[in-house]
Amino acid sequence: AQTVTQSQPEMSVQEAETVTLSCTYDTSESNYYLFWYKQPPSRQMILVIRQEAYKQQNATENRFSVNFQKAAKSFSLKISDSQLGDTAMYFCAFMKQGTGANSKLTFGKGITLSVRP
Amino acid sequence: GAGVSQSPSNKVTEKGKDVELRCDPISGHTALYWYRQSLGQGLEFLIYFQGNSAPDKSGLPSDRFSAERTGGSVSTLTIQRTQQEDSAVYLCASSHSRTGVNEQYFGPGTRLTVT
Repeated sequence: AQTVTQSQPEMSVQEAETVTLSCTYDTSESNYYLFWYKQPPSRQMILVIRQEAYKQQNATENRFSVNFQKAAKSFSLKISDSQLGDTAMYFCAFMKQGTGANSKLTFGKGITLSVRP
Repeated sequence: GAGVSQSPSNKVTEKGKDVELRCDPISGHTALYWYRQSLGQGLEFLIYFQGNSAPDKSGLPSDRFSAERTGGSVSTLTIQRTQQEDSAVYLCASSHSRTGVNEQYFGPGTRLTVT
């Protein structure tokens, strides 16, 4: 079974600054996907970024980038130029490669990020 | 296009009553998932549907929970004889099942409160 650990329950960052959210995972799989989801107070889970484990290059999406360390089973999210709209809960998630029931997501406990004006 | 929709947005029910939660996936998405988000347990997988295949029910916490998906589209999650520990946000997600990464799109959830 897979586990995803987010050890920081909450973080705070000044607007326009950079913040890094940590995530570690445990799996015996060699092929899988990792995701960061954002959940604002509206409850809508929004995909922020994804990483295929077979890719060595770290994924980037505008102000969001990841530091994927496969050997260390670490997957941190860096948010640059933080904006007030980034205030939300962030969840790290794992998915096995494949279809069917393998495609269910395993989530970490989440971290509450507050961006201060 | 329209995203995943769920109804009701909020539901308050008395302990022991049955409730039905509805999910409308994105049109054309063949895969549908139910997750539960609670304070104590975080986000947990409940059940997975793929087209007309038999569902994967491995995440359902008890036999009071059941779900169906009619016509490969709309899904209903039913909780019988609700208990206070069933209070949570129930999230539905859908994806276009294909080879490679199956990106899941989530609905806004139903907040269930059992009094």
